[in-house]
Amino acid sequence: GENVEQHPSTLSVQEGDSAVIKCTYSDSASNYFPWYKQELGKRPQLIIDIRSNVGEKKDQRIAVTLNKTAKHFSLHITETQPEDSAVYFCAACSNTGNQFYFGTGTSLTVIP
Amino acid sequence: SAVISQKPSRDICQRGTSLTIQCQVDSQVTMMFWYRQQPGQSLTLIATANQGSEATYESGFVIDKFPISRPNLTFSTLTVSNMSPEDSSIYLCSVGDSNSPLHFGNGTRLTVT
Repeated sequence: GENVEQHPSTLSVQEGDSAVIKCTYSDSASNYFPWYKQELGKRPQLIIDIRSNVGEKKDQRIAVTLNKTAKHFSLHITETQPEDSAVYFCAACSNTGNQFYFGTGTSLTVIP
Repeated sequence: SAVISQKPSRDICQRGTSLTIQCQVDSQVTMMFWYRQQPGQSLTLIATANQGSEATYESGFVIDKFPISRPNLTFSTLTVSNMSPEDSSIYLCSVGDSNSPLHFGNGTRLTVT
């Protein structure tokens, strides 16, 4: 099956700075890459996603980039705020099996 | 997006017993999945619940330990059998596919003593 790696495992930034989380995947059939934010004690929530026919997607302070050739994708959060503190997971899904495989997670702390 | 109701929300169980977790979706969905999230860890796919046929299990998970039912397109159950403390985890039902994002139920927090 798919193997998704995620780095870094922890990330601390000052409020207002940018945060970048990177993921790689192994299955070239993967074509859909969502990102999830999980706050303590809550279920993961989708924050942004990207499909393989697009190289970049932006939604306000959040952007995702995809390099299909290199099999990696990244989450960029600009102007970070304390409420961005959470665990972030990347995932990969292919249209052959439709299963979603998750990265190991990044614990982001935004220091006020 | 689909509304996913999962129950129980939490339970404390004795070693050697079994627990069945229910997942109800407010609309018909093709793909339903069961994940496990151990404390401080990522989400690990247990199996894909297939309507009308046997579930498809990921490597490391077997039907005898995690039997799954999917009687229709809106409902599924996951049973954790013969539990041990290592089964203490959050179990999450989810729906989605390569054309739509994965959405999760609230999860079942299981503690095995």
